[in-house]
Amino acid sequence: ILNVEQSPQSLHVQEGDSTNFTCSFPSSNFYALHWYRWETAKSPEALFVMTLNGDEKKKGRISATLNTKEGYSYLYIKGSQPEDSATYLCASFSGNTGKLIFGQGTTLQVKP
Amino acid sequence: DAMVIQNPRYQVTQFGKPVTLSCSQTLNHNVMYWYQQKSSQAPKLLFHYYDKDFNNEADTPDNFQSRRPNTSFCFLDIRSPGLGDAAMYLCATSRGSSYNEQFFGPGTRLTVL
Repeated sequence: ILNVEQSPQSLHVQEGDSTNFTCSFPSSNFYALHWYRWETAKSPEALFVMTLNGDEKKKGRISATLNTKEGYSYLYIKGSQPEDSATYLCASFSGNTGKLIFGQGTTLQVKP
Repeated sequence: DAMVIQNPRYQVTQFGKPVTLSCSQTLNHNVMYWYQQKSSQAPKLLFHYYDKDFNNEADTPDNFQSRRPNTSFCFLDIRSPGLGDAAMYLCATSRGSSYNEQFFGPGTRLTVL
């Protein structure tokens, strides 16, 4: 994998559903994986910065896992709420590029 | 609250008419970035300042320039905007390396007529 890729591109769920998205990134010379939440008309905000293989991080109902050997991260949202509606961006930093490379995002819409 | 501010939020310019986007920060971070995001695409790094050192990405068009007069402010100048430059422009900051958490402004949506 040369680029950072996210799937699905968009997702519509009902309030209360749990959901998850995937971020795939180059595993070579990996340094860090970032997740950001970007609500409409607001600034993207960091959710997690993860560096260690097997790392799991949690913030309220949102959690993320990291597999640096195979180059993927999952973001989970438990019991989605309408306020979770946003675009979720992941970004990978590797020593090969020396910069943060973003995926195109997963846009989540939670219906009440 | 410490933050990253971008002005204006929406900018309309004409084809070929120079435009400047501004970014300011109260975080006292030493690194500032400019990203371009076109519709449904990944944000793409244009350039960044590490302290006063300017780092241009190899594929950033010559049309795009930047200035950082002091720690708090950074400007993106587009000398002759084309229709393809219509995009969301995001400014971000970090303390030290770009593998650290980045703090973003709300972006400036540029329209080129």
